[in-house]
Amino acid sequence: EAQVTQNPRYLITVTGKKLTVTCSQNMNHEYMSWYRQDPGLGLRQIYYSMNVEVTDKGDVPEGYKVSRKEKRNFPLILESPSPNQTSLYFCASSPGDRDYGYTFGSGTRLTVV
Amino acid sequence: AQTVTQSQPEMSVQEAETVTLSCTYDTSESDYYLFWYKQPPSRQMILVIRQEAYKQQNATENRFSVNFQKAAKSFSLKISDSQLGDAAMYFCAYSYGYGQNFVFGPGTRLSVLP
Repeated sequence: EAQVTQNPRYLITVTGKKLTVTCSQNMNHEYMSWYRQDPGLGLRQIYYSMNVEVTDKGDVPEGYKVSRKEKRNFPLILESPSPNQTSLYFCASSPGDRDYGYTFGSGTRLTVV
Repeated sequence: AQTVTQSQPEMSVQEAETVTLSCTYDTSESDYYLFWYKQPPSRQMILVIRQEAYKQQNATENRFSVNFQKAAKSFSLKISDSQLGDAAMYFCAYSYGYGQNFVFGPGTRLSVLP
């Protein structure tokens, strides 16, 4: 089944403790992206990647890191999480065609206390 | 800057009735795509319908249709014969350029009343 798999689904952590949210897609898509969803703000792009070793900042990149060492994987790293990073996070992938839109993962609910 | 506005944070509709969700966008691009995504309580983002800016004909997918007014930069979603399973958050989105340029609106929460 074609899908984007992200883990974990829920995560509670403490301020300052490094964490990684994993994302993997099995569709050989070129583009991958991370979004955060907050009430009243919709989905905002954190980082995106156009291919292996090619990444760039989205609208809200502060406090996040990403890497794209393999085409299928695009992990999101929070080196020192803070409470304002409490949010719902989505990984998404696309072949790059504008009419395709994105295929989304099932989301990660992150709480930083 | 490209922006997408959904002016109705919440809406409700009676089962079997019709409801229209509003979306407006701001762009200087001439070639772009518009989308509606549905997010049920499961959190999964599900593509409902898409529209190419160059096509004047409004897109339709079963009970879902759009009213695309390019000059007014308006892209509303009409849901006919509403069902309980239509209850969800609905996001309007706009895509331009190549791949990564995807902008979402703030969402409209739709409740369906039995």
